[in-house]
Amino acid sequence: QKEVEQDPGPLSVPEGAIVSLNCTYSNSAFQYFMWYRQYSRKGPELLMYTYSSGNKEDGRFTAQVDKSSKYISLFIRDSQPSDSATYLCAMRPSGGYNKLIFGAGTRLAVHP
Amino acid sequence: EPEVTQTPSHQVTQMGQEVILRCVPISNHLYFYWYRQILGQKVEFLVSFYNNEISEKSEIFDDQFSVERPDGSNFTLKIRSTKLEDSAMYFCASRDGGEETQYFGPGTRLLVL
Repeated sequence: QKEVEQDPGPLSVPEGAIVSLNCTYSNSAFQYFMWYRQYSRKGPELLMYTYSSGNKEDGRFTAQVDKSSKYISLFIRDSQPSDSATYLCAMRPSGGYNKLIFGAGTRLAVHP
Repeated sequence: EPEVTQTPSHQVTQMGQEVILRCVPISNHLYFYWYRQILGQKVEFLVSFYNNEISEKSEIFDDQFSVERPDGSNFTLKIRSTKLEDSAMYFCASRDGGEETQYFGPGTRLLVL
């Protein structure tokens, strides 16, 4: 079983839609959960991070972590064409030197 | 806004040649990382570096790889004898000691022929 699984998509939605992106993981030691956005041929850019379980909201973005199910989600409300990118989940256990384990990334296209 | 920079943006090399990828992390950051992303695959951790030494490395980071912080600003990744399978995008990242966020550079696209 892969440590982090993420559906690569592509996911195509109309502008204004609510987008749901998800990852599952197998390592129960993971405590820090991140969502990165990556535009084509660019470096990953951190969108949000959550420690342990719970929800976190930042503008149009909401991150959820359910450690009991080993499942994390990112919701994008009122999606815009500028949200078109690849979304990477990443996670790590507590301690150590912050080595991140990434999912494969989900490619999102928001069309006008 | 401070950012991580990487040079070159693209590098083409012949198999067996040595390459050095360069990174300038954000100036007050203490932790440095290299990741790579083979085309169409996930971002993979290679190595972390703190206090002038390697703190953690992956199985990918074998004896052909080395990292160095030659001065107070640069952080380099050297591949001694490149293989075809080293072709990938290489990302440098850095982190302040007091926060979680790793800031990634734009990457160097390495093509080994």
